[in-house]
Amino acid sequence: RKEVEQDPGPFNVPEGATVAFNCTYSNSASQSFFWYRQDCRKEPKLLMSVYSSGNEDGRFTAQLNRASQYISLLIRDSKLSDSATYLCVVNEDSSYKLIFGSGTRLLVRP
Amino acid sequence: SAVISQKPSRDICQRGTSLTIQCQVDSQVTMMFWYRQQPGQSLTLIATANQGSEATYESGFVIDKFPISRPNLTFSTLTVSNMSPEDSSIYLCSVVTGKAFFGQGTRLTVV
Repeated sequence: RKEVEQDPGPFNVPEGATVAFNCTYSNSASQSFFWYRQDCRKEPKLLMSVYSSGNEDGRFTAQLNRASQYISLLIRDSKLSDSATYLCVVNEDSSYKLIFGSGTRLLVRP
Repeated sequence: SAVISQKPSRDICQRGTSLTIQCQVDSQVTMMFWYRQQPGQSLTLIATANQGSEATYESGFVIDKFPISRPNLTFSTLTVSNMSPEDSSIYLCSVVTGKAFFGQGTRLTVV
């Protein structure tokens, strides 16, 4: 079993749609959780951290369920510029070592 | 925040040769991380580079194949040795200062 598993995608949605990505992690002792965005041929960049209480940043909402070891990302009112690969990332301890999911590719069409 | 300058951005190399990738950070950091991203895959940690000590390698990666240098707190190199086509990948360095920052990546093709 992979340490961090994500929906494989690709998700192909029209502009304005709402889309949700899911992620599960295997280590119940994991401490920190993130969503990163990676554009084609670019390095990953932090989209948002994920907190137990859930957090929102504009059109993006992240949720964490520690009991189910489940993380989600919701994107509302999708834009063409949201097209990218979204990486679920988990930090298992305080060493700053990050475990990356395989990524979910999103394509937003006009 | 941290700004990382990574080079080369890409290279095409002959099998059996070696390539050294450099990362320069604009601030002092204790640990630097080297990742590999194979085509269509996510990032896999190769090793953690610590200043003043040997790098710590992840399972499946060995120092003879991926020697790392960390001469000071702002610089590190990763060498891909005795390359084969299977080493064709994107290599990324990273630091964590509150959040993870990445270099721009080195796209390596081995022919």
